[in-house]
Formats: sequence, structure tokens, C-alpha cells
Amino acid sequence: AQSVTQLGSHVSVSEGALVLLRCNYSSSVPPYLFWYVQYPNQGLQLLLKYTTGATLVKGINGFEAEFKKSETSFHLTKPSAHMSDAAEYFCAVSPNSGNTPLVFGKGTRLSVIA
Amino acid sequence: GAGVSQSPSNKVTEKGKDVELRCDPISGHTALYWYRQSLGQGLEFLIYFQGNSAPDKSGLPSDRFSAERTGGSVSTLTIQRTQQEDSAVYLCASSLLGANTGELFFGEGSRLTVL
Repeated sequence: AQSVTQLGSHVSVSEGALVLLRCNYSSSVPPYLFWYVQYPNQGLQLLLKYTTGATLVKGINGFEAEFKKSETSFHLTKPSAHMSDAAEYFCAVSPNSGNTPLVFGKGTRLSVIA
Repeated sequence: GAGVSQSPSNKVTEKGKDVELRCDPISGHTALYWYRQSLGQGLEFLIYFQGNSAPDKSGLPSDRFSAERTGGSVSTLTIQRTQQEDSAVYLCASSLLGANTGELFFGEGSRLTVL
């Protein structure tokens, strides 16, 4: 079984500051890992994903995440926050085989202060 | 448009009534998912359709919830005898590939309020 824990339901950063959203997962088999973003009044969209290969994954809008197996983590970072990054971010996990739907975390709301 | 379309966008109903929520996936996507988004609870998996295979219903919270997918395209989620705890945003998503490998494309959701 898979599960995801996102530390912090709400994170607030100043514009230009580092963004760090934490995600830890539990999986009995090697996982695929995802970050999705939900802007206000919109559907979720994929930000980035890790399946195989390089453990540092780059996504849209300057975000990146690093898969650390030893820490069972997949934290999302961005060097410099922009006002437009304000949204809800969801980490998700699935096993690397089979047809098991994604399991999502509870989400982290990011606020960016001018 | 070319995205996932859901209707209605908002639904207010009285406790005990039945509701139907509709999802029109992206053309050609074989996989379709329903999730429920409640405040502070994240996304809760409900049901998953993949091609002609039997659906994965493991996430349906009770037998009041059911879903069907006709002709491998449009899906309807039905909630019978609605309860106040059913109030949430119901999200539909579709993907071209299998559940764990493909990018999910989400609709904007149907917000259900049960009075």
C-alpha cells in the first residue's frame, strides 16, 4: 500500500524567497512520485513527476523535486517565489507497476507575500 | 474544448435526494478516475475505469455511491440518499496511459452541497 504525508497544510513565503514543500511517502514497492498544482478555481495540473532515471526532476515554472530513497522523500523546491506561485500543491505516489491509481497527500497551500 | 469537462459545476441538494455528476473525458483517453476533495482532506480516490476492464471501486465510501462509464467515454457518478458529509468537490480526471504512468488531466470539479 502507498501513502503520502505532506508536512504543513499552509506555507507562507516572501516573494523572492526559497519555496520548500515537504513530501514523504510510504510504499512497499519502488514508487512513481508526482507533484500536482491547483490554482484557485482551476483543476489540478501536473507540475513534475519521477518515474525512473535521474532523481532530480525539473518541472514547469521553475519548480524541481528530488527523489531521496533513503529518506523516502520527494520535496518540492523553487529558488525564488513569485506571486503567481500561490496555489495548493499536492504530492502523489503510485507503485511502479500495475494499474493502481495515484494516492494523493492532503495538500499544502502556498501563500506568497509581497 | 479539449479538456476534461464536468457538470454541473455546482449542485445544491437536500439531504436524502439523489444526485448525478457527469464527466466527459479527453477524447481517446482510456483511463478515467473520480476523486473527492474535501477541505483539509486532500484528494480521496473513489473509482477508476481502465478501458474495458472491470472498474476499481475500492475507494467508494459506501453503497450509496456508484459510477458507470458508457461506451468507454462519458462517466456518471451517482450518489443516492445524499448526506451532509457528502458535501465536497468531486473531481474527474482522465489519462491516456495506465493509472500510474500517465499524466492525469483533471476537470474543474463539481461542487456538491448537501443541506
